[in-house]
Amino acid sequence: DIVMTQTPLSSPVTLGQPASISCRSSQGLVHSDGNTYLSWLQKRPGQPPRLLIYKISNRFSGVPDRFSGSGAGTDFTLKISRVEAEDVGVYYCMQATQIPVTFGGGTKVEIK
Amino acid sequence: EVQLVESGGGLVQPGRSLRLSCTASGFAFGTYAMTWFRQAPGKGLEWVGFIRGKAHGGTTEYAASVKGRFTISRDDSKSIVYLQMNSLKTEDTAVYYCTRDRAVSDYWGQGTLVTVSS
Repeated sequence: DIVMTQTPLSSPVTLGQPASISCRSSQGLVHSDGNTYLSWLQKRPGQPPRLLIYKISNRFSGVPDRFSGSGAGTDFTLKISRVEAEDVGVYYCMQATQIPVTFGGGTKVEIK
Repeated sequence: EVQLVESGGGLVQPGRSLRLSCTASGFAFGTYAMTWFRQAPGKGLEWVGFIRGKAHGGTTEYAASVKGRFTISRDDSKSIVYLQMNSLKTEDTAVYYCTRDRAVSDYWGQGTLVTVSS
């Protein structure tokens, strides 16, 4: 199974300041179809998970442009350019290139 | 508008069975794979399994933790995907979510809570 390692575990951020979350996979994530199925999801308390970024850097419909994804190979990053109060929650990276689909352990974003 | 609505959760004793449903609307259901995930209380997200669309044989894949106990099926005429859960264990207690697609999981339902306890 591909192991996804996220850092940091927790990220206290001042409102309006940037935040960055890293995700490292134990193997490369390029699928045989040429795509890299690395996604970022946001989980707010009491809400279902929400897709933010798919295939490394594609912002999903309705996601604010302060969220961006980047990376290649085995190293990926989610950046929030200016954290807003509504961004509080746990963020997960997910790989769906190889079965079983696996997740990082999550990064809790909270306001300082 | 794409909508996914899970139902069928509840309290069940260990060893018993439960069937969850996910009713979809707003897209061509039959052309998409459908995936189930879960999140146990205080834990992270976990992939349960998925079912391919008919064009890809309607075949299924499962996580090792549920293989042989859980079965995913679909009724394209009703736009419903099912998760049949047998021989339930306390560690299956979680909120269960269905999603559209197997690789991107772009839309998620609100989830349904399954509690396995005596």
